Amino acid sequence: AQKITQTQPGMFVQEKEAVTLDCTYDTSDQSYGLFWYKQPSSGEMIFLIYQGSYDEQNATEGRYSLNFQKARKSANLVISASQLGDSAMYFCAMREPFSGAGSYQLTFGKGTKLSVIP
Amino acid sequence: EPEVTQTPSHQVTQMGQEVILRCVPISNHLYFYWYRQILGQKVEFLVSFYNNEISEKSEIFDDQFSVERPDGSNFTLKIRSTKLEDSAMYFCASSGPFRIEGIITEAFFGQGTRLTVV
Repeated sequence: AQKITQTQPGMFVQEKEAVTLDCTYDTSDQSYGLFWYKQPSSGEMIFLIYQGSYDEQNATEGRYSLNFQKARKSANLVISASQLGDSAMYFCAMREPFSGAGSYQLTFGKGTKLSVIP
Repeated sequence: EPEVTQTPSHQVTQMGQEVILRCVPISNHLYFYWYRQILGQKVEFLVSFYNNEISEKSEIFDDQFSVERPDGSNFTLKIRSTKLEDSAMYFCASSGPFRIEGIITEAFFGQGTRLTVV
């Protein structure tokens, strides 16, 4: 079963508009972390935002915010005031608790390709 | 701002040859990872490394793969005898020490090494 589901393979947004990228996750653990990464066409993975499962407030980082709905197991990324440079693949990822000393891995979704239209 | 650096950015190798991908994690980080991304697919976890030993590895990380931290700064991934299907982008990542609640936050990724096996 997929642990991270991103249902939107591709999204278009007008420049300066806001856009929401969906992410749902599946875990039975109480303690976990959720991440969003941006991958431009050049290939690197750029960390955007993090939400811990115990964080009561939604995470925000500049134009990025994470709409965390724990009961629904969703962690949608909201990008406000889209810019042309936001065109990229966006990956949602989850980190589950340690299963041993130093055991830590991210499970990624399949990604959403965002295209910002001028 | 500290960053994870990977070399080379692109490597072309013949099938059956050994390759070593190099990474310099962020200096005060304690946890190191390798991920790979086959073209057009999602990012997959390979291995995590902590306290000079592998802490977890995926099914992908078979006997052809090995990791090493030969000195205090470098972290390497070796593929002993490359296959065509090893062609992918390989990402190194590192993360820092525990937060108070025992969960590590961000994993920072390098810019990736694109491995092409011919």
